[in-house]
Amino acid sequence: GAGVSQSPSNKVTEKGKDVELRCDPISGHTALYWYRQRLGQGLEFLIYFQGNSAPDKSGLPSDRFSAERTGESVSTLTIQRTQQEDSAVYLCASSLWTGAGNTIYFGEGSWLTVV
Amino acid sequence: AQTVTQSQPEMSVQEAETVTLSCTYDTSESDYYLFWYKQPPSRQMILVIRQEAYKQQNATENRFSVNFQKAAKSFSLKISDSQLGDAAMYFCAYSGNNDMRFGAGTRLTVKP
Repeated sequence: GAGVSQSPSNKVTEKGKDVELRCDPISGHTALYWYRQRLGQGLEFLIYFQGNSAPDKSGLPSDRFSAERTGESVSTLTIQRTQQEDSAVYLCASSLWTGAGNTIYFGEGSWLTVV
Repeated sequence: AQTVTQSQPEMSVQEAETVTLSCTYDTSESDYYLFWYKQPPSRQMILVIRQEAYKQQNATENRFSVNFQKAAKSFSLKISDSQLGDAAMYFCAYSGNNDMRFGAGTRLTVKP
């Protein structure tokens, strides 16, 4: 597609349930990022993937969070046993490469509400 | 780890006037890039401007320009002739050898 695509756009889930958020990066982009943005706040880095290298998971807030990526395509962010503090917009972005100089392009985000 | 600081949570400007948004960063890397992204209420992050650290000339994109002070690790964004459509959250970002880090953002209000 022309841009980064994320689904679902909005998700309301009950506390304790698992959720999966999907990201389709721009075709040809080897790098993929996940960020979390709580209401009115900045972007919190979660994880990034670069090609077939081991992902940088240093930003994941707890072991309830995990992410996978198949090759250089779709990525799924999974949150297990959701808590109310997980409510946020989850932004996915992709770029041609990681490292200095890359411009990353964002999707419109998945708004997660945990009730 | 690199940090990005935006010290102005909110700014306001009158339509057609000029406003400057501040950003400072901390790094030990010599090769890096800096960016300003705009996030309107639609949530879509839009690249406004980018600056290469090894270039002394300040980047300019139409009404948007930066004041890059490498020694001071400062990277401010100037918006000239502000328009109502400029109202948004603005995020400063740093890209080094690893990932990209963002500041907390500045909410810009444009008054008609």
